[in-house]
Amino acid sequence: EDQVTQSPEALRLQEGESSSLNCSYTVSGLRGLFWYRQDPGKGPEFLFTLYSAGEEKEKERLKATLTKKESFLHITAPKPEDSATYLCAVQGASGGSYIPTFGRGTSLIVHP
Amino acid sequence: DTEVTQTPKHLVMGMTNKKSLKCEQHMGHRAMYWYKQKAKKPPELMFVYSYEKLSINESVPSRFSPECPNSSLLNLHLHALQPEDSALYLCASSQIAGPDTQYFGPGTRLTVL
Repeated sequence: EDQVTQSPEALRLQEGESSSLNCSYTVSGLRGLFWYRQDPGKGPEFLFTLYSAGEEKEKERLKATLTKKESFLHITAPKPEDSATYLCAVQGASGGSYIPTFGRGTSLIVHP
Repeated sequence: DTEVTQTPKHLVMGMTNKKSLKCEQHMGHRAMYWYKQKAKKPPELMFVYSYEKLSINESVPSRFSPECPNSSLLNLHLHALQPEDSALYLCASSQIAGPDTQYFGPGTRLTVL
């Protein structure tokens, strides 16, 4: 069974204070690892898809990296508008491979 | 364009009401999904449609009835819901019903009185 664990559960940063969110996963044959941003009461907004260890993707202040066991979402010089819950999900090769397994998310608050 | 739209944004209904949630995408995606999300929890898969045919029903109670009229539209018909069904209902789509990025809509906040 695929498993995803995100840490920390909650993170408070000062504006400009860079940090990283962790997503540890166990999956049989990784087919894709996904990062989403979710604002309260809204649907998840797609950020990145990573497919293989060593892959990195960037978008503005965000950079996602992937190893064989975990993924990091690095936030450089965050701004208050980066405050949101960040969800990680994986799709594996076993079972219904199009059913992603989600982590419980990291709630990020960036103070001005 | 990676937009999935959902209507209504908010819905309040009684336990005896019948209502429907609507979802639309124009990305040419052939797989569409319904999820349910409770506060501070990750989305839970309810249904998957692949090429307009129901391919997965995650043991959802029959008071939830999905419908896919065409490749761009997905409905969720609601009848005789319970207060514990109150949640954010999310629609998503992907190019294929396989390992692929899913794009979510903004959701419908449902309150059952």
